[in-house]
Amino acid sequence: ILNVEQSPQSLHVQEGDSTNFTCSFPSSNFYALHWYRWETAKSPEALFVMTLNGDEKKKGRISATLNTKEGYSYLYIKGSQPEDSATYLCAFTGTASKLTFGTGTRLQVTL
Amino acid sequence: DTAVSQTPKYLVTQMGNDKSIKCEQNLGHDTMYWYKQDSKKFLKIMFSYNNKELIINETVPNRFSPKSPDKAHLNLHINSLELGDSAVYFCASSQDLGGVDTGELFFGEGSRLTVL
Repeated sequence: ILNVEQSPQSLHVQEGDSTNFTCSFPSSNFYALHWYRWETAKSPEALFVMTLNGDEKKKGRISATLNTKEGYSYLYIKGSQPEDSATYLCAFTGTASKLTFGTGTRLQVTL
Repeated sequence: DTAVSQTPKYLVTQMGNDKSIKCEQNLGHDTMYWYKQDSKKFLKIMFSYNNKELIINETVPNRFSPKSPDKAHLNLHINSLELGDSAVYFCASSQDLGGVDTGELFFGEGSRLTVL
């Protein structure tokens, strides 16, 4: 069983705040790390797929970094907006394993 | 057009029945999946399937079986439904990038199964 853990479990920020959360995963046999955004009553949507140590990806106000040697990825949201409220999932693929999802970080952005 | 579509969106049935949930993707992807969202809202993989290989999560009861009539479809059939099968089931697809899937997943909207 692979351990893909995310922290914090939930987060409540004010509009305009910047925030970040963590995904930790096995550092051995790494192949890819995914981030997904999952709004309530919808289906998860991919944000990023990262494969190389040191990768940094950005989409608008959201960015992610990857450290495969120590087994963690950060997701950053700059200037949070209410529409950013969602659960953010990371998922790990190893060289001999299928995609395993983390437990998610639930973000609530209020006015 | 919806990329990954599941039917039905809602299914209410009695314990002991057999039911199917259908999934279709029009993305031309090689690999399709079924995930179960458990009571703690975690997404747990049940099956992944491409035209070469079916991989079954060993924790999935054999009452659950995937059926793929063609590359664009992966249906989930469940025999002898139990109360604990109540959950939201998500279908997904991805493009196989060479052996190990690294392509992003495209999810369907989920099918909520309630077993009474």
